[in-house]
Amino acid sequence: QSALTQPPSASGSPGQSVTISCTGTSSDVGAYDYVSWYQQDPGKAPKLVIHEVTKRPSGVPDRFSGSKSGNTASLTVSGLQAEDESDYYCSSYAGNNNLIFGGGTKLTVL
Amino acid sequence: EVQLVESGGGLVQPGGSLRLSCAASGFTFDNLGMTWVRQAPGKGLEWVSFISGSGESKNYADSVKGRFTISRDNSRNTVYLQMNSLRAEDTAIYYCARGLKWFDHWGQGALVTVSS
Repeated sequence: QSALTQPPSASGSPGQSVTISCTGTSSDVGAYDYVSWYQQDPGKAPKLVIHEVTKRPSGVPDRFSGSKSGNTASLTVSGLQAEDESDYYCSSYAGNNNLIFGGGTKLTVL
Repeated sequence: EVQLVESGGGLVQPGGSLRLSCAASGFTFDNLGMTWVRQAPGKGLEWVSFISGSGESKNYADSVKGRFTISRDNSRNTVYLQMNSLRAEDTAIYYCARGLKWFDHWGQGALVTVSS
């Protein structure tokens, strides 16, 4: 299966909102409400920020939110802060114990 | 506190083998599936393999199918990834992660370098 499609980069100024898209197919993103988002800082392991499309794990600021429409999921970071600058990856369950990741988006806080 | 600690990474020649281990603690290990995810240098995340809590259900990415084998020892709270017929393109940091459909805990990663 091909990777989910994410924009390579996104940016915004402090305090602004930024939305990162994640496009799949009717066999993965469109078929299951198991889209997740991960934040990864350089040299570190990924950190879960959204699971099951909209759910935030304990400790993740409510500035992070997720949504889905059809075959496209989105991560929105509101009230951007310098610490949000990172790489972000989406993933989707694809059935039969398969999972697929997006190619990643580098978020820059201007 | 949930902890996942990988070990077994290193330098191996093309065609060689390596076994990674991931020692888990802080949760009921045999209740949960475990997954291996890798990241080639400067690249994105790639799902590699999954094993269910009982070990009965497994799956592999097409890129490693027939070469890699995932297993677990619930008495040792450890999941393994046996990697055979290694290729240069298998060079990556290998992470173990808790879960299947999403991963709420990750290890620190083990670097595997395939080079002559």
